[in-house]
Amino acid sequence: EAGVVQSPRYKIIEKKQPVAFWCNPISGHNTLYWYLQNLGQGPELLIRYENEEAVDDSQLPKDRFSAERLKGVDSTLKIQPAELGDSAVYLCASSLDIGLFNTGELFFGEGSRLTVL
Amino acid sequence: TQLLEQSPQFLSIQEGENLTVYCNSSSVFSSLQWYRQEPGEGPVLLVTVVTGGEVKKLKRLTFQFGDARKDSSLHITAAQPGDTGLYLCAGLTSGTYKYIFGTGTRLKVLA
Repeated sequence: EAGVVQSPRYKIIEKKQPVAFWCNPISGHNTLYWYLQNLGQGPELLIRYENEEAVDDSQLPKDRFSAERLKGVDSTLKIQPAELGDSAVYLCASSLDIGLFNTGELFFGEGSRLTVL
Repeated sequence: TQLLEQSPQFLSIQEGENLTVYCNSSSVFSSLQWYRQEPGEGPVLLVTVVTGGEVKKLKRLTFQFGDARKDSSLHITAAQPGDTGLYLCAGLTSGTYKYIFGTGTRLKVLA
């Protein structure tokens, strides 16, 4: 079974340029997450989707970041315009619905490493 | 803001040594997970603990969830170079079903 697929793996852009990351979750996983991870630190949640609905986007910097999950499967995370401080790894994860009887293992992709010059 | 503080932040040990990593918070979590992440990859789940006081063993790794479900520890016996990586705890908040990740512990085991 295929895992979570992300692309691109690496992206180098100049500041003020736009960038987009794509994520394909594990088939059947309704919940999708975008995390930001700085080097050697824990991931920080940007947005969480339940199917196509963004149920938690409180940590998403909405002035420059946007995300969508059309049809409740693939998702795209966009940054426009990028700033130097956006350099990080952007991780996508998916899980089955978390509920009383499912503590919800997160399955992560390999991440997209962004460098803003 | 809920925080999960991990200690130590960095750990470099010789093969065969034992070590313990701590994950502490002032918040109560409905469950807590431990992940290991290797360079260039995403975190991979090691274990989930749900009940206060619960202890789980996974070969040389022992995980404990605090009685009050606010803290956890990971103990590795006879560490091996293959244990090298970034260890992350993640607490699941009840009601919101939101994962809060710890600050991370980078472990290096020298042969």
